[in-house]
Amino acid sequence: EVQLVETGGGLVQPGKSLKLTCATSGFTFSNAWMDWVRQSPEKQLEWVAQIKDKSNNYATYYAESVKGRFTISRDDSKSSVYLQMNSLKEEDTAIYYCTWNFDYWGQGVMVTVSS
Amino acid sequence: DIQMTQSPASLSASLGETVSIECLASEGISNDLAWYQQKSGKSPQLLIYAASRLQDGVPSRFSGSGSGTRYSLKISGMQPEDEADYFCQQSYKYPPTFGGGTKLELK
Repeated sequence: EVQLVETGGGLVQPGKSLKLTCATSGFTFSNAWMDWVRQSPEKQLEWVAQIKDKSNNYATYYAESVKGRFTISRDDSKSSVYLQMNSLKEEDTAIYYCTWNFDYWGQGVMVTVSS
Repeated sequence: DIQMTQSPASLSASLGETVSIECLASEGISNDLAWYQQKSGKSPQLLIYAASRLQDGVPSRFSGSGSGTRYSLKISGMQPEDEADYFCQQSYKYPPTFGGGTKLELK
């Protein structure tokens, strides 16, 4: 059974950092392209970042809204993907989901950026 | 970025009624279009990919159609468990973009 479990969310002040983890199981993670997608309190879905597999040189892509502030990474030995979020803004407040192929999604983790 | 305009924003349907949701892309997306269902408090679930291909396990009352810039999701016979938010998404060009969502309620 495919499972994706996000952790690391919480309340953080503007300008601070947070790192999300998505632990996976049930599929060959090393071959998978992984994405982070977020959903605002208004329920709008926004793609955040993608990381490809080793055969694609772990290429990464970012939404313009997070480029230069967020970093996606992975550890194939732990079947996990990460999202390092720096210089957080109030508009980054959202539920963050990791997804494999947009077919399997985690349960999501809430990130609230507020002073 | 490709803009996805979804309509209507909300609708209410009776049991057994046929429902349609539309998605209009700002440019042609060559059928690289997916539909998701999201029930309250849950993650989005893939219903349809490549505009018209039903994901495994999805009831056959769900169907997708369209081409070019116009796509639609049809539910043939509304059921109580279909009450949810529905989103379209294009994957033709980076970045992948989503429609604004449609809230479907049972009348």
